[in-house]
Order: sequence, then structure tokens, then C-alpha cells
Amino acid sequence: AQSVTQLGSHVSVSEGALVLLRCNYSSSVPPYLFWYVQYPNQGLQLLLKYTSAATLVKGINGFEAEFKKSETSFHLTKPSAHMSDAAEYFCAVNTRDDKIIFGKGTRLHILP
Amino acid sequence: AAGVIQSPRHLIKEKRETATLKCYPIPRHDTVYWYQQGPGQDPQFLISFYEKMQSDKGSIPDRFSAQQFSDYHSELNMSSLELGDSALYFCASSSSREGTLGQYFGPGTRLTVT
Repeated sequence: AQSVTQLGSHVSVSEGALVLLRCNYSSSVPPYLFWYVQYPNQGLQLLLKYTSAATLVKGINGFEAEFKKSETSFHLTKPSAHMSDAAEYFCAVNTRDDKIIFGKGTRLHILP
Repeated sequence: AAGVIQSPRHLIKEKRETATLKCYPIPRHDTVYWYQQGPGQDPQFLISFYEKMQSDKGSIPDRFSAQQFSDYHSELNMSSLELGDSALYFCASSSSREGTLGQYFGPGTRLTVT
């Protein structure tokens, strides 16, 4: 069965520093992978998705993620953190019967 | 661009009451998904509909039921509410052609059971 594991329920970075949120997937078939962001008391917004085209996927707000099959990873990065990036981030994978399974989430804290 | 609309945005109910949550998909989307996100939890898939028929079922309690109507909007009916039903309920929609790849989420309905 498809699943994702997010390493670190909380990550803190200084403003201007690199953001790295880790996600590893488990899938018996080539997966479709997603990163979503959720700001406090708001809905889920799609940051980016991997659909087996380019392995480096660029998303909104300066985020990108790289699909690495050899490492079964899909880590999310951003070169320079902004205070406005503070939010909960969910990695997700779609299942063979076309529903989305979410990771447990990583709360990103930005330190001034 | 039009987005997924959910109503109400906030709902407070007492234990054992019923609640109805509504979801209006993006125009021309024929598939609707429902998710439940408990406090501090990840969203969990509940149920989905395609062309008014249930297409998949997840961890939806028997006390809950849902349907999709001819205009593609969907309603999630929740009966005998329990404290543990307090959560954020998301609806998402997509076209059958894209499935989850083209899934867009609504803002959610926050249900509080007291």
C-alpha cells in the first residue's frame, strides 16, 4: 500500500535560511506525489506535484521538490525562508484507487 | 477562478445532534472527495463520488452518510454526533479525467461538537 513518512513533526529555521522538509514514500507502483501547505485555520493549498515527468518539480512561493527513486524520497526545499512560510506542510501520495494519503505533517517555524 | 465552496464554514453542535455539510465543486468537476482532519492530525479520506455514485469509501463511520446530487454538489450527513467528530472537514473536487492529480480542496468546515 502506498504511504508517506514525514521526518520531523516540527522544523525550525531562521529567516533567510534554507528550508528542507523531508518526505519518504512507499509505493509498489510509480507514485504521484504532492506537497500541500496549510496555514492556521485555513484549507489545504497545493504547493507542487510530481507526475513522473521531470524529477525536479517547481511549485508556488519559491518551493521545489526533487523525486529521488533510489532514495524513495520527495523532499521539499526553499532556498530562503520567509516569515510567511510558517505553516503546516503535508506530503501526500495518491493510491492506485485514486485517493490521496497524507503524511502526518511537519510544522515549519520561522525564527526572526 | 472559481474554487470549491463549502458551507457552513463553522458549525457548532451538541452531542447526539445531526449535522449536514455541503460542498459545491469547481464547475465542470464531476468527482467529489471528503476528508476529515482531527485536531493536530493529517487529513483522512472519508468517501468519494463520481457522477452521483459512490466511487470509494475510506474511514467513514456508519453514522455518516453522503451523496452527490445531479448538479454535482455533495452533502455529508452526520448523525448521533460525538465529541470525537470535532474536526475540520474538507471537500475536494476534480474532473474524472484528472482524478487526484487535478484535485482542489475547499476551505473546510470546522465542526465543533460540545
